[in-house]
Amino acid sequence: EDKVVQSPLSLVVHEGDTVTLNCSYEVTNFRSLLWYKQEKKAPTFLFMLTSSGIEKKSGRLSSILDKKELFSILNITATQTGDSAVYLCAAYNNNDMRFGAGTRLTVKP
Amino acid sequence: GAGVSQSPSNKVTEKGKDVELRCDPISGHTALYWYRQSLGQGLEFLIYFQGNSAPDKSGLPSDRFSAERTGGSVSTLTIQRTQQEDSAVYLCASSLGLAGYTQYFGPGTRLTVL
Repeated sequence: EDKVVQSPLSLVVHEGDTVTLNCSYEVTNFRSLLWYKQEKKAPTFLFMLTSSGIEKKSGRLSSILDKKELFSILNITATQTGDSAVYLCAAYNNNDMRFGAGTRLTVKP
Repeated sequence: GAGVSQSPSNKVTEKGKDVELRCDPISGHTALYWYRQSLGQGLEFLIYFQGNSAPDKSGLPSDRFSAERTGGSVSTLTIQRTQQEDSAVYLCASSLGLAGYTQYFGPGTRLTVL
């Protein structure tokens, strides 16, 4: 059965800390992995990763995919209170998208 | 308990026909969301419900799209006069509330408009 597992489920840090969020997947006909940030209503798209070993960066956020070990990580450096959210990863194949349960990140001042 | 369910899992229709997609959220979840996933694209937010009300309909791509939720539970997304560009996977999710609660997604309905 296809599955996407995220860890940790929740994380509390202080401003300035660096965090690493994990996403492992087992999905048939895997095509790409996506990361989203969920604050209020709709998730905000962060990254789409298709190739292994190529880091994608956007400001303080970066992500990388390992297609051999079937996982991805999302790094956030110098965290800010505005980074507090639920971070979702999803594995996409030709048919559908399988989401993980998310990691709830809380950044305290 | 049971997760979010959606029906049908696949729908093939002809251009110009109306379609109805159904979402059964997790029991007790007050927030319900509809998204669209087109091939190779990120998730596109359509609409959300808090209880039975849908305070924000701005994500609906056109006036051919409408959604309702009755009894705070089941929701239907209706697309009238379907067009080929409506072909996508339509995902539904539910959560205990808004403001960052984890969303649990259903398996989606794959809509193909010929």
